[in-house]
Amino acid sequence: DAKTTQPTSMDCAEGRAANLPCNHSTISGNEYVYWYRQIHSQGPQYIIHGLKNNETNEMASLIITEDRKSSTLILPHATLRDTAVYYCIVMNRDDKIIFGKGTRLHILP
Amino acid sequence: DTGVSQDPRHKITKRGQNVTFRCDPISEHNRLYWYRQTLGQGPEFLTYFQNEAQLEKSRLLSDRFSAERPKGSFSTLEIQRTEQGDSAMYLCASSLPIQVASTDTQYFGPGTRLTVL
Repeated sequence: DAKTTQPTSMDCAEGRAANLPCNHSTISGNEYVYWYRQIHSQGPQYIIHGLKNNETNEMASLIITEDRKSSTLILPHATLRDTAVYYCIVMNRDDKIIFGKGTRLHILP
Repeated sequence: DTGVSQDPRHKITKRGQNVTFRCDPISEHNRLYWYRQTLGQGPEFLTYFQNEAQLEKSRLLSDRFSAERPKGSFSTLEIQRTEQGDSAMYLCASSLPIQVASTDTQYFGPGTRLTVL
C-alpha cells in the first residue's frame, strides 16, 4: 500500500502557484519523497525528490517539514499543460515505485 | 519523449489469446521495470530487471505472465490466455542505479494499452 495521503483533486488558476500537499507520517529515516506526474494517456514523468532539505529545480519546488511527516509540491506559475495527476511517493533509492491514487490537478483558464 | 519506447501502443485481443509487448529502455540504463495501470488507479509494480536478471516479481504477476530481458537491453512482457481483467495500460520504465549515476530517476515509456474483448 502507498505510504502517502493526498487530496483527490485540486483546482488552481492559470498563472498562480499550485501547492499540492502530501502526508507521509510513517516515513522512515532513509526514505525519500518523490513526486511524479501523469498527463492524460502518457507515462508518469519525474518532477523532483528530496530527503529532508527543500529542493528546487526547473519544474517545481519541494518543501519538506522538519519532522518529515508531510511535504508540499509547488508549481510556481501553473499553466494549462500542468493539468495532470500528481503522485507523492515515499521510497528508498533504487527501489520500485508504489503509486497511490495521486491528486488530480485542474488548471483553470 | 523520455527515450523509453514501447511497442505496440495499443493492442486489442480476444479473451484466451496470447499477447506480447516490447520495451526498449534508454540505452545505458541497466534497470528496467514493468508496471500495470487500470482505469482511475495509479500504476502498480509488476517486475524489474537489473541487466538480464529478473530480481523481483509482484504477486500480481500470475503464472500467465512472463517477462524476459535476454541480453540486458530490450524486454518483453507476455500474457498467455488473456482475460478481460488483463485490460490495462502496461508501462515500462528504466533507470540507472544510484551507485552509477547521480540520480535513480525512473524514466517511463508511453505505455501499451491492452483491451481484452
